[in-house]
Amino acid sequence: EVQLVESGGGLVQPGGSLRLSCAASGFTFSSYSMNWVRQAPGKGLEWVSYISSSSSTIYYADSVKGRFTISRDNAKNSLYLQMNSLRDEDTAVYYCARELKNDYGDYVFAFDIWGQGTMVTVSS
Amino acid sequence: QSALTQPPSVSGSPGQSVTISCTGTSSDVGSYNRVSWYQQPPGTAPKLMIYEVSNRPSGVPDRFSGSKSGNTASLTISGLQAEDEADYYCSLYTSSSTPFVFGTGTKVTVL
Repeated sequence: EVQLVESGGGLVQPGGSLRLSCAASGFTFSSYSMNWVRQAPGKGLEWVSYISSSSSTIYYADSVKGRFTISRDNAKNSLYLQMNSLRDEDTAVYYCARELKNDYGDYVFAFDIWGQGTMVTVSS
Repeated sequence: QSALTQPPSVSGSPGQSVTISCTGTSSDVGSYNRVSWYQQPPGTAPKLMIYEVSNRPSGVPDRFSGSKSGNTASLTISGLQAEDEADYYCSLYTSSSTPFVFGTGTKVTVL
């Protein structure tokens, strides 16, 4: 079964740090670009970060640039998000998501597999 | 990049059709066909329903269809069913340093 499982969420004080993990199974993780998407309580989806299959290309939303770092370990089938200098507004469920490829192996820039999410609460 | 604009809510009776709009600008929705749609029932992760404006992943019922005209993309649900009640989000990919943006979200209610 193709699956993504996030972990590492929790309660952290403003200014603190947290590292999220996303464990992939059921597919060739090293062949796919991956993303982090978050959703604040009662709010909409917000794209956070992208990493290519080889880690050669990385992008961040302006709201997290300079504070968050995305990375991956293809040998461990794992995706990570290091979150530093956390703010109240970073409180959200964080999802990892895989980018869909078509039958020809080309990316179509949509997210076909999502994890169940991990909750991050930033509060004093 | 600003969030794409969706109506906060739409509703319809079982069997009816509803359409959700996703409005951007000539620089984003009007210039790219990388529009996707996601369904999110309460308390669950999003599910991909449409990609590249009008393509359905395997397993998605053909009651769901997508289109685009100018700066507005649309998702239509035909033959509305109770299990279609959820939040729906559009998303767009652009060739920028912040490549993905989501819409503001629309709550679909089945009356």
